[in-house]
Amino acid sequence: NAGVTQTPKFRILKIGQSMTLQCTQDMNHNYMYWYRQDPGMGLKLIYYSVGAGITDKGEVPNGYNVSRSTTEDFPLRLELAAPSQTSVYFCASSYEDSSMGEQFFGPGTRLTVL
Amino acid sequence: AQKVTQAQTEISVVEKEDVTLDCVYETRDTTYYLFWYKQPPSGELVFLIRRNSFDEQNEISGRYSWNFQKSTSSFNFTITASQVVDSAVYFCALSEDTNAGKSTFGDGTTLTVKP
Repeated sequence: NAGVTQTPKFRILKIGQSMTLQCTQDMNHNYMYWYRQDPGMGLKLIYYSVGAGITDKGEVPNGYNVSRSTTEDFPLRLELAAPSQTSVYFCASSYEDSSMGEQFFGPGTRLTVL
Repeated sequence: AQKVTQAQTEISVVEKEDVTLDCVYETRDTTYYLFWYKQPPSGELVFLIRRNSFDEQNEISGRYSWNFQKSTSSFNFTITASQVVDSAVYFCALSEDTNAGKSTFGDGTTLTVKP
């Protein structure tokens, strides 16, 4: 199993550009999550999904969108990149919801918006 | 609202010393889950332990041990005989049963173990 994979690993965007961060898991987990980690800070939940076709907002959803058309994939879309979105983005998945199950994390995507 | 506080921003110890990382949480739920994750310099996040609110037994796994005390809302993590490979950022996290899907992470404690 590859676990949770994320692409790209690094990306530099100009203000106003758009991009999609890809996340795929091969563990048949129902629950998937997107977090951002700012320097020296913990993880903040952006969006999460409890299954294909179902998504919900986390703590910091503004400026982002998600979709979950399959169990495996959970892409995160940035429509109009802003410097405040410079961060490391982690995708995670779990078999049970995060109140019960451990989360498996991808390697992260380091995004810089200039 | 759920909250996790890791008051120690950075800790530095010499190899073989014992070190305790503090975690204090706030929640109104009676059913909740606490987690510790490790983030080594390579950047990935690794699950270490999960504890539910009804299980206050301390747990030991090799050199790692966890002390869960509901009376003080704390879930502290101790590394015995620390090693250089323990150098990492350690995160404590909380999930409430009524808020399933939404975990709250502390800001992390950076542990440096010097040879």
